[in-house]
Amino acid sequence: DAKTTQPTSMDCAEGRAANLPCNHSTISGNEYVYWYRQIHSQGPQYIIHGLKNNETNEMASLIITEDRKSSTLILPHATLRDTAVYYCIAWINFGNEKLTFGTGTRLTIIP
Amino acid sequence: GAGVSQTPSNKVTEKGKYVELRCDPISGHTALYWYRQSLGQGPEFLIYFQGTGAADDSGLPNDRFFAVRPEGSVSTLKIQRTERGDSAVYLCASSPTGGLAKNIQYFGAGTRLSVL
Repeated sequence: DAKTTQPTSMDCAEGRAANLPCNHSTISGNEYVYWYRQIHSQGPQYIIHGLKNNETNEMASLIITEDRKSSTLILPHATLRDTAVYYCIAWINFGNEKLTFGTGTRLTIIP
Repeated sequence: GAGVSQTPSNKVTEKGKYVELRCDPISGHTALYWYRQSLGQGPEFLIYFQGTGAADDSGLPNDRFFAVRPEGSVSTLKIQRTERGDSAVYLCASSPTGGLAKNIQYFGAGTRLSVL
């Protein structure tokens, strides 16, 4: 799996959009970009994933650059409950089921 | 519906003791995963089951760690002769199946193991 790089921490004001960047410059053409988050004392929670196109679901939007070397997770209207560690993972299943988590970005939503 | 359930939520043991950690996956999920998370780190893969068989146990740190899933549902992670370095949160996840490009893993809240 390609290595991903994320900022260690970020703050965002409640009600504003939170934009979390991820670099994956060595991503291969068939690796997906996955985002999970982990709220304190809970297990990781799937948010969204994508390959090439931008994706949106009820939780977030994922913007992937055209060269696929970076992506941004967008939480459109952050709430206090969005305070968590966010993990960006580049992954493809070629007989490899395991997810490789880095240290993620600790996002703090400020009231 | 019910999510992934892990018991106990906390386990305190003494160095050298044997412990078992239990995972109840989401009903019908054939794939089950164990991860370990140390303080300040992301989860690290331990083992993956597809049905009853361990398809990938490359993450188990040594032979003190063993996991089973005899009926393809509940799994137990077993640690022999525990060491203080085994202290961590042990996370279990399940997914509907393995072998797909779309791999959404659903995690339990974990078991916090403390070895004194």
